[in-house]
Amino acid sequence: AQSVTQLDSQVPVFEEAPVELRCNYSSSVSVYLFWYVQYPNQGLQLLLKYLSGSTLVESINGFEAEFNKSQTSFHLRKPSVHISDTAEYFCAVSQGGFQKLVFGTGTRLLVSP
Amino acid sequence: GAGVSQSPSNKVTEKGKDVELRCDPISGHTALYWYRQSLGQGLEFLIYFQGNSAPDKSGLPSDRFSAERTGGSVSTLTIQRTQQEDSAVYLCASSSGTGGEKLFFGSGTQLSVL
Repeated sequence: AQSVTQLDSQVPVFEEAPVELRCNYSSSVSVYLFWYVQYPNQGLQLLLKYLSGSTLVESINGFEAEFNKSQTSFHLRKPSVHISDTAEYFCAVSQGGFQKLVFGTGTRLLVSP
Repeated sequence: GAGVSQSPSNKVTEKGKDVELRCDPISGHTALYWYRQSLGQGLEFLIYFQGNSAPDKSGLPSDRFSAERTGGSVSTLTIQRTQQEDSAVYLCASSSGTGGEKLFFGSGTQLSVL
């Protein structure tokens, strides 16, 4: 069964600094990979996803993630964070098709001035 | 409806009581998920319904937990003989079920077991 590991429970960073949130998954088959974000007092929403094709995917607010099959990783990066990026970020994986989506334990990104 | 609707938004119950949590998915969505979110545990998968297939119940933590989905639409998560460790936010999500699509989450039910 697939699983997702987010090693960092919390990542503090200053505004305009770069950030990387790590995600590793375990699966013996092809996977779909996702990052979801939960802003304070809001519901979960999709940030970006990898299904196939280009291994680098981007969101509309400047985040990007790269699928690395050899390292079974899907780390999330942003070159310059804003205060408004403060949120909890969840990595998720499914084995494609009609398969359940499994989430990691989440990483809380705290951006300070 | 416009989004995934969950009720109640908050539920306080006494230890040992049974509770029912309801989820109304987006109309036409064939896939429905229940997750549990608690501090330090992240988002814990509970159960997954996909169309008419047998549900994937592999995430249910004990036999006190059960869920059903009637008519391929509304779902009810039932917790029998609640325990304090059941306190959490229970999230429901739905999707079109074609694979690789995004999940639409409800705002959750905050369950507090006293």
